[in-house]
Amino acid sequence: EPEVTQTPSHQVTQMGQEVILRCVPISNHLYFYWYRQILGQKVEFLVSFYNNEISEKSEIFDDQFSVERPDGSNFTLKIRSTKLEDSAMYFCASRGDYSNQPQHFGDGTRLSIL
Amino acid sequence: LAKTTQPISMDSYEGQEVNITCSHNNIATNDYITWYQQFPSQGPRFIIQGYKTKVTNEVASLFIPADRKSSTLSLPRVSLSDTAVYYCLVGDVGTGGFKTIFGAGTRLFVKA
Repeated sequence: EPEVTQTPSHQVTQMGQEVILRCVPISNHLYFYWYRQILGQKVEFLVSFYNNEISEKSEIFDDQFSVERPDGSNFTLKIRSTKLEDSAMYFCASRGDYSNQPQHFGDGTRLSIL
Repeated sequence: LAKTTQPISMDSYEGQEVNITCSHNNIATNDYITWYQQFPSQGPRFIIQGYKTKVTNEVASLFIPADRKSSTLSLPRVSLSDTAVYYCLVGDVGTGGFKTIFGAGTRLFVKA
C-alpha cells in the first residue's frame, strides 16, 4: 500500500538554526498538509497546500514557517530561527482529489531544538 | 468547523467489542466523519470514514444516526495492539484546504 514518507526521522538542531523537514506524499495525491504534535499534546494543524500554493494555515504558521513543493515528489517544511518551543513531532499528510478522500499521514520527524 | 467531543479514556479487555462515541452537534451538511488511530511516536492512521448510516471495513464499523450529531466507532474483539488514541474528525474533505482540527482524542487501554 502506498504511504507518505518523511525524512529525517529525528532531527537535532541548535536554537536559532534553520531546519528543513522533508516529505514524499503518495504519488497521485494533490493536497498536502503539515501538522505538529508537542509531546503529550494533541495534533495541531499547521498548513494545507494545493496547486502550488497555501490553501489554509493556522495561527501557528507564522513568518517563521514556509512550505514548498520543489519538484513533483517532495513537499518540505522550513522552519527558520528555531526556538526551543519548536521541539515537536512534525507530521506530513496527503490526500487524493476526490471529495471523500481521507488524509494519509507519515510517521513524522521528531525535531529536537537544543 | 464542527467541534467534536469524545471521552478522554476508555478501558477494555482483549476480545471485547469497544464502542467509542463522538458528538458533533454542529456538523454541516457537507461534512464527513473520519476516525484515526494513533500509536506513540507514529502518525495518525486512517481507520474509517462515513457520511451517514453505517459503514464497515475490515477493521471497524462506523454508526451514524439520522441527525448525524454523533457517531460511534465500533472495534470488534479488540486486542492488546489496539491500545492507542482514537480521534474523531469532522469536516468537508471535498474542500481544498481542509483545515483539520484534532481534538484530544480517546485513549483506549486494552488489558489482557
